[in-house]
Amino acid sequence: DIQMTQSPSSLSASVGDRVTITCRASQGISNYLAWFQQKPGKAPKSLIYAASSLQSGVPSKFSGSGSGTDFTLTISSLQPEDFVTYYCQQYKSYPSTFGQGTRLEIK
Amino acid sequence: EVQLVESGGGLVQPGGSLRLSCAASGFTFSSYTMNWVRQAPGKGLEWVSYISSSSSTIYYADSVKGRFTISRDNAKNSLYLQMNSLRDEDTAVYYCARGFSCSGGGCYHDYWGQGTLVTVSS
Repeated sequence: DIQMTQSPSSLSASVGDRVTITCRASQGISNYLAWFQQKPGKAPKSLIYAASSLQSGVPSKFSGSGSGTDFTLTISSLQPEDFVTYYCQQYKSYPSTFGQGTRLEIK
Repeated sequence: EVQLVESGGGLVQPGGSLRLSCAASGFTFSSYTMNWVRQAPGKGLEWVSYISSSSSTIYYADSVKGRFTISRDNAKNSLYLQMNSLRDEDTAVYYCARGFSCSGGGCYHDYWGQGTLVTVSS
């Protein structure tokens, strides 16, 4: 199975900041990488697919990059509602696997 | 508007069975691969099972293989997960998720249901 490792596991930032979350795959996955946002008690929400394509309706403050094994999610101009948990997912091959999550906290 | 609504969760004893359903609307259900993804309390996301649009291809996570069965009824726009021989570690919120841009058995999940909680406990 392909292992997905997110870093950091938690991150403190302030409203208005720009942050970057990293996701590393244990083997190359081309650009078959997605990012999700999850608020407490809610279902995950799709943000980005194919490493850098924005899901319809998602604001442009979210951006993704990378290919192969190293990927990043960048969130600019943080607002209070952005301080939740983010997951990456590889869907290059069976079984699809997720990172362990990054919790974004208000400083 | 795409909607996925799960049902069928509840409390079940270890070794018991449960059948989850997911009712889909707002898109052509028969054209899409569907998946089940679960999340244990306080834990991360775990993909569980995949079924292609025509049911011709099915995959399971090793953790549920031989115990869970995924199926779909395209005439009823519905997805199912039959769960047998349930264990404590199967306790989780189960989400159905639409598959988009699928490759080699993996899918990007563009739409998710609200989830249904399965609790396995004596």
